[in-house]
Amino acid sequence: EAGVAQSPRYKIIEKRQSVAFWCNPISGHATLYWYQQILGQGPKLLIQFQNNGVVDDSQLPKDRFSAERLKGVDSTLKIQPAKLEDSAVYLCASSWEFMNTGELFFGEGSRLTVL
Amino acid sequence: GESVGLHLPTLSVQEGDNSIINCAYSNSASDYFIWYKQESGKGPQFIIDIRSNMDKRQGQRVTVLLNKTVKHLSLQIAATQPGDSAVYFCAEISYSGNTGKLIFGQGTTLQVKP
Repeated sequence: EAGVAQSPRYKIIEKRQSVAFWCNPISGHATLYWYQQILGQGPKLLIQFQNNGVVDDSQLPKDRFSAERLKGVDSTLKIQPAKLEDSAVYLCASSWEFMNTGELFFGEGSRLTVL
Repeated sequence: GESVGLHLPTLSVQEGDNSIINCAYSNSASDYFIWYKQESGKGPQFIIDIRSNMDKRQGQRVTVLLNKTVKHLSLQIAATQPGDSAVYFCAEISYSGNTGKLIFGQGTTLQVKP
């Protein structure tokens, strides 16, 4: 079974530029998550989708971050404009359905460096 | 703020010894806890979970203990191997209405000495 795919693996941009990350979850997984992991910290949930609807985006900085999951499959996370503090690994994860299990399947992440 | 946290940022053990990684939580209503392992350059990987109606659960070489009285859980790894070197996170499901989200703690780095 193929895992969660993310791209790009690495991205370096200057502050105030924009960046987009893409995620392809495991086939059939209804729930998709984007987490931000700053170096030395645990992952922090940014947004959670159930199919193509947003379940939780309470910690998403909506003035600069946006995410969508068109057709309930792939998802993109965009940052515009980027700030220095956005430097982090952006992890995408998916699961069959959230409420019955805490087992999320994570991709390898997209590492963002903002200069 | 965080509702789960780990006691030690780093734990160093000898290969073959048992490892114990501790975690405390603050919300007495929390009822579902999960341990994840994250190797360098990779995403977190599910290890084992436990619900509040249990105080112990075993997997392959791993055991999770839950003490609800003192709001503490631990991950025990038997016969620690070099491949166990990673950052370990305890996490809990935080419910709001009919939705829940997975909240991670800070992580403990396990170093296995040959």
